[in-house]
Amino acid sequence: IAGITQAPTSQILAAGRRMTLRCTQDMRHNAMYWYRQDLGLGLRLIHYSNTAGTTGKGEVPDGYSVSRANTDDFPLTLASAVPSQTSVYFCNRGQPQHFGDGTRLSIL
Amino acid sequence: GQNIDQPTEMTATEGAIVQINCTYQTSGFNGLFWYQQHAGEAPTFLSYNVLDGLEEKGRFSSFLSRSKGYSYLLLKELQMKDSASYLCAVSDSNYQLIWGAGTKLIIKP
Repeated sequence: IAGITQAPTSQILAAGRRMTLRCTQDMRHNAMYWYRQDLGLGLRLIHYSNTAGTTGKGEVPDGYSVSRANTDDFPLTLASAVPSQTSVYFCNRGQPQHFGDGTRLSIL
Repeated sequence: GQNIDQPTEMTATEGAIVQINCTYQTSGFNGLFWYQQHAGEAPTFLSYNVLDGLEEKGRFSSFLSRSKGYSYLLLKELQMKDSASYLCAVSDSNYQLIWGAGTKLIIKP
């Protein structure tokens, strides 16, 4: 999706490891979001940021942290990955929200 | 609590019309969104309704009734490429999106 880039595209990770999912936009939108999408549960908000320097907790923030040092970057960190964090992660920006292509993360 | 309900799965025939319903109960309302998501891909924005009534955009139309907490997405002249999941989302009083689980639409020839 033009304007927002996520990396990596997919990753297999051992439980207990630390992992940072990267998200960069080039549209300079203030609002950015991280969601996870699991079969049958729909999209659930992990963390959000309304502007650079501020972040907030969503519906399922436990086990995740974010930072927003500047307008363009909004990384999501799993400090110590657990198998229940296996999911597809989407980074969004703006209103209406536009999605990155997603990161497919498997925790073994 | 906040809740978005939509059917899990629907089946329709190529060339026909299908209506996907969405009902919601949220703390506040700042608009309703519909997204399309093909398997293995990210959702893409289809429509936004904030006032009651019908919004038409080509083969797709979206309707909203705020008093009933109800919306539908109408797809006309169905094509095989319309096979996808359709996600309903409501912006609540904090402008956060509350998402439905999605409706998987299967198009048969």
